[in-house]
Amino acid sequence: DAGVIQSPRHEVTEMGQEVTLRCKPISGHDYLFWYRQTMMRGLELLIYFNNNVPIDDSGMPEDRFSAKMPNASFSTLKIQPSEPRDSAVYFCASSLSVSGYTFGSGTRLTVV
Amino acid sequence: RKEVEQDPGPFNVPEGATVAFNCTYSNSASQSFFWYRQDCRKEPKLLMSVYSSGNEDGRFTAQLNRASQYISLLIRDSKLSDSATYLCVVTKSSASKIIFGSGTRLSIRP
Repeated sequence: DAGVIQSPRHEVTEMGQEVTLRCKPISGHDYLFWYRQTMMRGLELLIYFNNNVPIDDSGMPEDRFSAKMPNASFSTLKIQPSEPRDSAVYFCASSLSVSGYTFGSGTRLTVV
Repeated sequence: RKEVEQDPGPFNVPEGATVAFNCTYSNSASQSFFWYRQDCRKEPKLLMSVYSSGNEDGRFTAQLNRASQYISLLIRDSKLSDSATYLCVVTKSSASKIIFGSGTRLSIRP
């Protein structure tokens, strides 16, 4: 089992650019979550999917953020346009029901 | 009031000591509880689930107190490798999002 795979591991981009983060959940998991972690705010849930359907996106900070899950093995989180305050570590996690998450290694995003 | 609250620490204890920390939650309808461990610049990893009757995994013991709405984690005979941030996690229903506490930082000194 390869675990949850995220790419890229690090991303440095200029303010105003589009950023796309990618996630491959564990095969067979029916929940997928996107989290953001900063020192100031800790882990914040952005959005989660159940069987590829977005269930709760109330944590998405604003319209600049969007997430998709076109199939059971792939999800993207897009920020357009990016801003310096979006700098954080973005984690994807998957689970089978709510039996406990498995996190990916995260994408460390820096917007300059 | 935050839905899940933890003492941020840091807890600085000598190797071999016993250390315990709590996590309080505000929603009495919360159903499932977990402890996660996060090492510096790494992803959180599931440490253990917390069951109503309490449960133990080696040196780690987790307990749930529904009446007072808190969960606890006890670490016995602490090791240097136990140094990490411990996050408590609470779920509100079987199909809902999971709420993470902000974490308690633990540092074990030789």
